[in-house]
Amino acid sequence: KNEVEQSPQNLTAQEGEFITINCSYSVGISALHWLQQHPGGGIVSLFMLSSGKKKHGRLIATINIQEKHSSLHITASHPRDSAVYICAVLNFGNEKLTFGTGTRLTIIP
Amino acid sequence: DTGVSQNPRHKITKRGQNVTFRCDPISEHNRLYWYRQTLGQGPEFLTYFQNEAQLEKSRLLSDRFSAERPKGSFSTLEIQRTEQGDSAMYLCASSLDPPPYEQYFGPGTRLTVT
Repeated sequence: KNEVEQSPQNLTAQEGEFITINCSYSVGISALHWLQQHPGGGIVSLFMLSSGKKKHGRLIATINIQEKHSSLHITASHPRDSAVYICAVLNFGNEKLTFGTGTRLTIIP
Repeated sequence: DTGVSQNPRHKITKRGQNVTFRCDPISEHNRLYWYRQTLGQGPEFLTYFQNEAQLEKSRLLSDRFSAERPKGSFSTLEIQRTEQGDSAMYLCASSLDPPPYEQYFGPGTRLTVT
């Protein structure tokens, strides 16, 4: 079993829909990243959080440390949001990232 | 400084050849990380440096792989005697120390071994 599990693996939605991507992890962490990867490979960090909730524009990330679960929400989704979204946890004590396999999001106009 | 840069962006090589990749971190970042990502998978940790010291190496990093950060600034990752299984995206990231170690990623180097 992977230390970081994401669901769903693939998600296709219509423009304007509310999107939720989930991440569960099984190890002790000091923080969790949500990352966005477009075709071609470049990775952009969207959020790093260790508790509660963060919001940036149409993106919202939440984390529940007790349940070892995080969610990434996208409101009013747009085709430009189409990308792979990766959850990565910063392992407590060794500061290296362990990644989920990603969620491929496609937003149809 | 515009972020983490990596060169080359793409490399095609024949099996058995040696290749070297370079990563330039954000200038004030003292931590530098290398990751490898194969098609359809999330990235996997390879190694990381604090300044010039290599603090941890993954078991994925076989003896054909070597990474250096001689002056605590840029880093190189060399793969000797490349194999087709080495084909992947090699990602570099950097962060500040002390915590929270938020990592900033470069665009990656895509290696294809034919």
